[in-house]
Amino acid sequence: DAKTTQPTSMDCAEGRAANLPCNHSTISGNEYVYWYRQIHSQGPQYIIHGLKNNETNEMASLIITEDRKSSTLILPHATLRDTAVYYCIVSDSGTYKYIFGTGTRLKVLA
Amino acid sequence: GAGVSQSPSNKVTEKGKDVELRCDPISGHTALYWYRQRLGQGLEFLIYFQGNSAPDKSGLPSDRFSAERTGESVSTLTIQRTQQEDSAVYLCASSSYLSGYGYTFGSGTRLTVV
Repeated sequence: DAKTTQPTSMDCAEGRAANLPCNHSTISGNEYVYWYRQIHSQGPQYIIHGLKNNETNEMASLIITEDRKSSTLILPHATLRDTAVYYCIVSDSGTYKYIFGTGTRLKVLA
Repeated sequence: GAGVSQSPSNKVTEKGKDVELRCDPISGHTALYWYRQRLGQGLEFLIYFQGNSAPDKSGLPSDRFSAERTGESVSTLTIQRTQQEDSAVYLCASSSYLSGYGYTFGSGTRLTVV
């Protein structure tokens, strides 16, 4: 079973920040939080990952709570091309497989 | 190559036939994974390779499914005596623990069993 829970769907206005939450209350000390997204008919695409500290890259920011039981993916200025299913995954750094949940279907509205 | 390549991109087969799906991972990636995604559903783990060994085959749905990897490179997923419920997109991913960037997925093979 997936170790994470996410809302089924969210809408966001184009140009606004999209904040996607994820709960991972059973996360253990050496497990990372990964975010991927899947645009229709394509393979999932890596976005960002983190262990304890907040992370930022050219695509997004990842905010992890101090107790590490939840996190938020932030797309700072959502565009129509960000419409996708976003998956939050918890994985040990040496673990070989991800268990994907159902993800959050983000729809960016013009 | 620059990314993970899967072939064919689409495959239509008759029920009962065998099919082979191919995955070419990123050069140097030691780990390779197969997932299945049925229409409108999430990704199901099938099998994982570390080098040419498959330490975890727990996701293979039946003994009709098998996979191999050679030369720490190409992998083939074989489905024997295909059934209609095997219709799905089969996704391959590779990773190197040194990369720090998780998995890189291919675009998948869309299998339709008629």
